[in-house]
Amino acid sequence: ETGVTQTPRHLVMGMTNKKSLKCEQHLGHNAMYWYKQSAKKPLELMFVYNFKEQTENNSVPSRFSPECPNSSHLFLHLHTLQPEDSALYLCASSQVAYSGSWRETQYFGPGTRLLVL
Amino acid sequence: SQQGEEDPQALSIQEGENATMNCSYKTSINNLQWYRQNSGRGLVHLILIRSNEREKHSGRLRVTLDTSKKSSSLLITASRAADTASYFCAWVSSGSARQLTFGSGTQLTVLP
Repeated sequence: ETGVTQTPRHLVMGMTNKKSLKCEQHLGHNAMYWYKQSAKKPLELMFVYNFKEQTENNSVPSRFSPECPNSSHLFLHLHTLQPEDSALYLCASSQVAYSGSWRETQYFGPGTRLLVL
Repeated sequence: SQQGEEDPQALSIQEGENATMNCSYKTSINNLQWYRQNSGRGLVHLILIRSNEREKHSGRLRVTLDTSKKSSSLLITASRAADTASYFCAWVSSGSARQLTFGSGTQLTVLP
């Protein structure tokens, strides 16, 4: 596999639930990403963490809350989601050099299939 | 799409045939990449081509890049049933080094 794991693989939740998605990378990378993949839409970048600091937030609603406690772990906390948030949530990692240049290849986890009822 | 397009959206071929997928984008880019996704799984990086390159090969994969037309193509030669997957192009825009922008993907089905 790619060295990026995600749990759970499937999640069904009601609109009032609180849940968290977990991602772990075993590649020694220092950048991690959350993407959303909906049917018939391109992959959407949600959040970027570089050296544990959030560097990008692509206008994601506040009901999605990321957390990156260290460079190997990334969480996505979910709260009062809407049915349209049902999608495949993908985590990825890559290596960013200290000069700020970006090793462009990203390694993806298998995703969490989320269904919001 | 404001980001780019891939065509065809779906492609069905017989095993042994070649498959060609096209990608168009709208910005100046640093590089362009192709990824593969099996149904319901994560994406796997296939190949990267830089903006100053025109063609690149990796095994049965051949990628071309035409920056004047802002387009790229992925050719899979001698296809196999195991090549059945969705294929996505993604690019790093110049001046936006941290973000990959993805195309909408081509669903390839290789019939045995």
